[in-house]
Order: sequence, then C-alpha cells, then structure tokens
Amino acid sequence: QQQVKQSPQSLIVQKGGISIINCAYENTAFDYFPWYQQFPGKGPALLIAIRPDVSEKKEGRFTISFNKSAKQFSLHIMDSQPGDSATYFCAATEWGSQGNLIFGKGTKLSVKP
Amino acid sequence: DTAVSQTPKYLVTQMGNDKSIKCEQNLGHDTMYWYKQDSKKFLKIMFSYNNKELIINETVPNRFSPKSPDKAHLNLHINSLELGDSAVYFCASSHATAYEQYFGPGTRLTVT
Repeated sequence: QQQVKQSPQSLIVQKGGISIINCAYENTAFDYFPWYQQFPGKGPALLIAIRPDVSEKKEGRFTISFNKSAKQFSLHIMDSQPGDSATYFCAATEWGSQGNLIFGKGTKLSVKP
Repeated sequence: DTAVSQTPKYLVTQMGNDKSIKCEQNLGHDTMYWYKQDSKKFLKIMFSYNNKELIINETVPNRFSPKSPDKAHLNLHINSLELGDSAVYFCASSHATAYEQYFGPGTRLTVT
C-alpha cells in the first residue's frame, strides 16, 4: 500500500513535443504529491507539487494533473526542450508521516533536438 | 550560498571500514533526512531528524547511525562497510510544518 508506481521507465520526445509521465498510488491517506527532477550527478530538485484538493496545477511549461478517484497523477511537460532531459521522480506522502516521501522508480526523459 | 551541502562528494573505501558523510543546511530548516539511491536510481528514505530526535528509521541496518550535533547538521556514520552499501547517499531538509524537501548534491559511496 505504500508503493508509488511510475511509468514509463524511459521516454524519448522530440523538441517542442509534450512529455507525459504517469504515477499511481494505493494509499488514500497520501495528501501531497511532488515531482522531482534529477540531472546526472546532481541531487533531486523539487519541480512542482500538488495537493489532492485540486485537479491541476501549472507552473510554466510544467503541469500536474491529479485524478483522486483513480488514484493517479501525471506530469506534463509542454514544449519539451533538450535542457529538460533528466530523470523525473514522482513521490507521495501523508501529513503525520514525518516527511516519509515514497518515491516512484523514476523516468529517464530524453528530448531530441 | 549552497542550501544543502554534503561532504565528501565521492568516497571510495574497502569492505569492513568505517566512514562518515557530513551534511549541512543553511535554510533554517528543523528537519533533516538521509536517502539512499541505488544503482537503479531508486530513492528510499533512511532516516530523518527533527529537533535532534530520530523520527524515522526505515529498516536500515544498525551499522548506519545518524548523528545530529545541531539543527543545521546531520551526519551519517557507517560501520563495517559492505559491498551492498555502495550507492549514492542524499541529505535533505525541510521545515517540520512543510512538505517540501530540499536535497543536497549527493555522496557517491563505493565499497570495494
């Protein structure tokens, strides 16, 4: 019940295209869903996050879509750029778990010029 | 003005040795964490500290011990290193009243 399942494992997108990464969870007590971006040799960086009281959150080219009934959320990267090439992790946690972030297994995104 | 820093960045050592990794944050956060990222890039929390108190210990071998001298520092001590300990270890921090966690650059530990 603590798992967060992420797909696809890898993704190749042309420059200017839309990148879509999906995650699913089981624990209905989760109430915070962040996405992290990790470049090779660097630490994960918080990209965008959503709470379950909204169905969508947009920050620049990055959008999270959240479907509470389906227990799924996804990251959309519009107008994908080569500089977006990185590994993306979804995660989930619940208030009261002392920050116990449960991560998905990551998606390696390559944006081709 | 690095927010979360770790030293060393690389650590190569032999089986059976004892080593430490240091972490410091200048964000004024009161909670700090250690994560392990394995060769398949899977991230898993190991420990967190809030106000010098250990509040998570996720089935980590007792060869691993976090030590926090103050709110800005959380060091990781590892005794009797094993081959399976080879991984990248990340420190992170947050406010106790917030969800957002900020990660350090990582320490790549290689045990030979």
